[in-house]
Amino acid sequence: DVKVTQSSRYLVKRTGEKVFLECVQDMDHENMFWYRQDPGLGLRLIYFSYDVKMKEKGDIPEGYSVSREKKERFSLILESASTNQTSMYLCASGSAPREYEQYFGPGTRLTVT
Amino acid sequence: LAKTTQPISMDSYEGQEVNITCSHNNIATNDYITWYQQFPSQGPRFIIQGYKTKVTNEVASLFIPADRKSSTLSLPRVSLSDTAVYYCLVGVKNQGGKLIFGQGTELSVKP
Repeated sequence: DVKVTQSSRYLVKRTGEKVFLECVQDMDHENMFWYRQDPGLGLRLIYFSYDVKMKEKGDIPEGYSVSREKKERFSLILESASTNQTSMYLCASGSAPREYEQYFGPGTRLTVT
Repeated sequence: LAKTTQPISMDSYEGQEVNITCSHNNIATNDYITWYQQFPSQGPRFIIQGYKTKVTNEVASLFIPADRKSSTLSLPRVSLSDTAVYYCLVGVKNQGGKLIFGQGTELSVKP
């Protein structure tokens, strides 16, 4: 079974802090994704990566950056956390030829106070 | 990317068949229809994908009429554990893995 793990289920940070969310997958997938999920807005794509050291902006990249130094690990960074970044963050991975079938982690509920 | 419209919520009872319809009037020739399921406090999970007619797997069936302007996800004999949000996505089969999730349909299965 594919396993996507995220470093924390719940996280509370203060405004202005730098926040790191880690995601690890164990299936050697090329593609990795970060989404955020908010009530009424559904899932929105923040950043994605098709290979090590590659990254591409999704629909809402502002205020975020990412890092992919190893194939299995994809990190989401909030450079200076703000209260409007309070959300559920979901990581996913996938691979050709079934890129439409993504495997999601359990999510990190981030609260910024 | 084709826009999708689904009911916001549906109620059902255990043992019933549930059909969730998704409208996608502007679907393009190369677009596929994909459904995901999300349980509370979990990430979404891929259920099924199809292009036309009918696709069936161990979880669900997907019915797509000839004009492909809508699709219906069919869940046979639902149980309480099928309570979840179901998302309909439309786009090129892989589109580089960029999935566009809409609002989804919140299915509540009652005893």
